[in-house]
Formats: sequence, structure tokens, C-alpha cells
Amino acid sequence: GESVGLHLPTLSVQEGDNSIINCAYSNSASDYFIWYKQESGKGPQFIIDIRSNMDKRQGQRVTVLLNKTVKHLSLQIAATQPGDSAVYFCAENRDGGSYIPTFGRGTSLIVHP
Amino acid sequence: KAGVTQTPRYLIKTRGQQVTLSCSPISGHRSVSWYQQTPGQGLQFLFEYFSETQRNKGNFPGRFSGRQFSNSRSEMNVSTLELGDSALYLCASSLVSGGEQFFGPGTRLTVL
Repeated sequence: GESVGLHLPTLSVQEGDNSIINCAYSNSASDYFIWYKQESGKGPQFIIDIRSNMDKRQGQRVTVLLNKTVKHLSLQIAATQPGDSAVYFCAENRDGGSYIPTFGRGTSLIVHP
Repeated sequence: KAGVTQTPRYLIKTRGQQVTLSCSPISGHRSVSWYQQTPGQGLQFLFEYFSETQRNKGNFPGRFSGRQFSNSRSEMNVSTLELGDSALYLCASSLVSGGEQFFGPGTRLTVL
């Protein structure tokens, strides 16, 4: 899910498919993670969060998985819809410390009807 | 409940000038954070204000500053603008520091 330069990784799926977006985080001390969705021309929107004492958390049509061993986070979207088309990015933070979040570069999700 | 509002939405400045951006948080929210978003660097944390005090600061030069008023409205100032300051500046508010954040639509700053 990380990108270099101007181009974001892109995930193209068909409507109704399940989508998995990945994110590698850098700080082993990070203990709070958030997924955001950003539609064109809008600010980011909170989707789901997870703390490091959990491996999995589910929301409505979304699931976040956390693998602390390899510092990897994933967002699963079930039955993807055209309205899910957006840029998704993760953020990490040390919840016990100061609030200074670090964001991934994002993945562009394109859902084809 | 009204969302986070930011003014202006678009701004064009020239190098060397200074700029002030404004953010009105959701009513009742006392924390306001500012972010810079560029294609090259992505989304980066600038600073956070809570109850009129800067609580946390990202890794940006001193040309970037901010303040928060007693009504929780916040302003961000960038002095001596550089071409690289061209970006989308986002603010987000939350009830408490580090809580779930609600973002505004951003101010698109272009430095010529």
C-alpha cells in the first residue's frame, strides 16, 4: 500500500467483489491505527480504528487486521460498491504518547459497476 | 450538526508572502489539528491545538504557526511562502485530543 513519488498504488475491483487494501507501518512503538477514506475534493473520513491489543476489528462491511509481528495493517471491504471508490490510507500513532500521527501514502480503489 | 468548515477554499499567493487559513470546528469539539497534503509527501501532521494551547507539533519549520481562540476556532499562518508550500491544508476537529477526527474540505493553497 505504500507509494513512491506522485503515483498511488491502484486497486481495481468489480462491484460486489471484496477488496483488501494493505499498509505497512514503520514504528514498532505505534499502538493505535486508523483507516481513512478520501473522496475526490473532500477531506479524509474516518472508517475504522484498532488498538495494538487487538488483531482484528469489524465494522459495517469493513474489517481491519493488524499484524504487529510484521508491522502490517489491512482493510477489507466486503461487497465493494461504486461509492467505495476513493483513496484509502492508514495512520499510525503512539496512543500512549503525544498525538502525532503518521500517514501512509494511500491506495486508490476503483470500483467498476 | 454542521461539519468542520475551512476558509478560504482556494488561495493563490506569491513567494515571500504570508497567508492565514481559518478553521471552524464542529460545535463542542475542543481539539483542532492541521495537516498538509501534497502529492509528493502525502498527508503530514502540522500541529494540534486543544483549549487554546498547542499540544503537539509535527516536523515543520517555524514558518508554520497556528493559534486557537476561546471558541475553539483555529487559524494557521504560513510566513515567507515558498513554492513547496503549495498544498491542500486540512484541519480536523475532535472532542478530545487524539479522539476520532472529523476533517474539513481543506484550503487549496497555490504559491506562484
